[in-house]
Amino acid sequence: ETGVTQSPTHLIKTRGQQVTLRCSSQSGHNTVSWYQQALGQGPQFIFQYYREEENGRGNFPPRFSGLQFPNYSSELNVNALELDDSALYLCASSLDGGGDNEQFFGPGTRLTVL
Amino acid sequence: EDQVTQSPEALRLQEGESSSLNCSYTVSGLRGLFWYRQDPGKGPEFLFTLYSAGEEKEKERLKATLTKKESFLHITAPKPEDSATYLCAVIAGTASKLTFGTGTRLQVTL
Repeated sequence: ETGVTQSPTHLIKTRGQQVTLRCSSQSGHNTVSWYQQALGQGPQFIFQYYREEENGRGNFPPRFSGLQFPNYSSELNVNALELDDSALYLCASSLDGGGDNEQFFGPGTRLTVL
Repeated sequence: EDQVTQSPEALRLQEGESSSLNCSYTVSGLRGLFWYRQDPGKGPEFLFTLYSAGEEKEKERLKATLTKKESFLHITAPKPEDSATYLCAVIAGTASKLTFGTGTRLQVTL
């Protein structure tokens, strides 16, 4: 059974640029959730995708957008990067979005915005 | 809005010194409470799910319990390799998201 993978591991961007982060879900899972974790804080929910449709969104501006593909992998896109976007971005996969099933996390992508 | 508060923020134990971490929550319609372990710079690792008050789960030196207002993670005879941040999260109401606390940083020394 393959776990959740994310790429890239680290990324450095400058303010105003755009970034795309990628996530491959665990084998058999059809739901992907994205979280942002600032240093010393708990992860904050960005949005969730279930069977290629957005299935819930947190308090993040529209410049945070996402996509889920037929193989259930997912992308997180952030436009017009701001300094405060520097964080660890986590992807979690689970079965059947909106349910009470465990969410399994990937290793994260560390984004630094200069 | 769902709220999760963890205490203490940091805890330092000697090897073998048992203790408990607390997670209190204020939600409307708890559907599940989750415990995760997170090592520095890595993604959270799933430990337990608890669904109803009175439920308990164990794994090695860890035991999680749940009441109607809080959950405890009991660590019995901890070892240095148990050093990590322990995160508590809830899913509630009709939401599809996990709401996390800020975590407890545990350090176990020899």
